[in-house]
Amino acid sequence: GQQLNQSPQSMFIQEGEDVSMNCTSSSIFNTWLWYKQEPGEGPVLLIALYKAGELTSNGRLTAQFGITRKDSFLNISASIPSDVGIYFCAGPLRDSNYQLIWGAGTKLIIKP
Amino acid sequence: KAGVTQTPRYLIKTRGQQVTLSCSPISGHRSVSWYQQTPGQGLQFLFEYFSETQRNKGNFPGRFSGRQFSNSRSEMNVSTLELGDSALYLCASTSGLYGYTFGSGTRLTVV
Repeated sequence: GQQLNQSPQSMFIQEGEDVSMNCTSSSIFNTWLWYKQEPGEGPVLLIALYKAGELTSNGRLTAQFGITRKDSFLNISASIPSDVGIYFCAGPLRDSNYQLIWGAGTKLIIKP
Repeated sequence: KAGVTQTPRYLIKTRGQQVTLSCSPISGHRSVSWYQQTPGQGLQFLFEYFSETQRNKGNFPGRFSGRQFSNSRSEMNVSTLELGDSALYLCASTSGLYGYTFGSGTRLTVV
């Protein structure tokens, strides 16, 4: 079935560094979503991508919809402490407009 | 406007018991989805309701059930609890296709 493979699983970074993470699948997706979850809270939508090749920014965050439609990338520039959390990619299940499948998440940790 | 409200926030139950979790969506949102989140498993889709009808169901046993009321509030029920049911249960509502807004979740611990 459809699966989303997210990497890396976790990242230890210094404040000020740029961060890159990605999400891949063996299946084609028509929509890619990137969410962030902070401890004790539900995920919050950061960026939604609807078109192959699309590049969308939200402040210091930039996400891209891969041209093969089988991958997506999220970059965070000049990381700050509040960027800590788990970042998830998600996409709609084939043949379903209402069900999302999710990557396992990338945990971002800022080195003290 | 108020966000998605889930109650209770924390719950401890014993194996074999049943539990009911509640979700109040954002006003005007008619679609409510439920997810189970466990460490290492990510978010697993349970079911989705729209206008009191279940439109989608994930691959969970029949012990997991849900319903939606006419005011769009939703409940999920888990009967005959097992230790493996310990998880964060998240509810999300949307007025459109993918603009999901999540609640803070209910942390269920089964002992």
